[in-house]
Amino acid sequence: AQTVTQSQPEMSVQEAETVTLSCTYDTSESDYYLFWYKQPPSRQMILVIRQEAYKQQNATENRFSVNFQKAAKSFSLKISDSQLGDAAMYFCAYRSRMDSSYKLIFGSGTRLLVRP
Amino acid sequence: DADVTQTPRNRITKTGKRIMLECSQTKGHDRMYWYRQDPGLGLQLIYYSFDVKDINKGEISDGYSVSRQAQAKFSLSLESAIPNQTALYFCATSDSNTGFLSYNEQFFGPGTRLTVL
Repeated sequence: AQTVTQSQPEMSVQEAETVTLSCTYDTSESDYYLFWYKQPPSRQMILVIRQEAYKQQNATENRFSVNFQKAAKSFSLKISDSQLGDAAMYFCAYRSRMDSSYKLIFGSGTRLLVRP
Repeated sequence: DADVTQTPRNRITKTGKRIMLECSQTKGHDRMYWYRQDPGLGLQLIYYSFDVKDINKGEISDGYSVSRQAQAKFSLSLESAIPNQTALYFCATSDSNTGFLSYNEQFFGPGTRLTVL
């Protein structure tokens, strides 16, 4: 069974600085998707960025980028120029391409605090 | 209007009561999911449905049941609520008809915070 681990329960960053959130996963599959979701105090789950395992190029969405290391099974999220609105819980998630349910397997989350 | 809605947004109930959480979607997606979020545990899958006639258990289905009344509606029931079912519950949808190379992204509702006393 696949697992997702986020080893940082909480991280803190100064506004305008850069922060990296860690995520590792365990799988025997070679084809899968990885996601980062943001959960602000409103509780809404918001997709931040996604990565396909067969693509070597790291995904980027504006100030958000990932460092995908397939061999190391690592999928970290880098937030550049941090803003107060980035304060939230961040969840890493895995989805198997072979599992027809499309179900997501989540990590336990990292709470990001942004200091003004 | 929100694409995925959940009612109620917050609910407090007592041990032993039956409670139903409802989810509706206007996205036209065929797949629907119920997840549970506990502090420090992330989201865990309770049930999922491929379509109206195809419902499947997730990792933590014990104590829960579901009903897919229509393609757009998926309800989660707690037949006899207990305090350790106090959690945040999310409904999500996904579209399987977007091609093999699609991410088949899941879209989440706003969540229902359930407290069982």
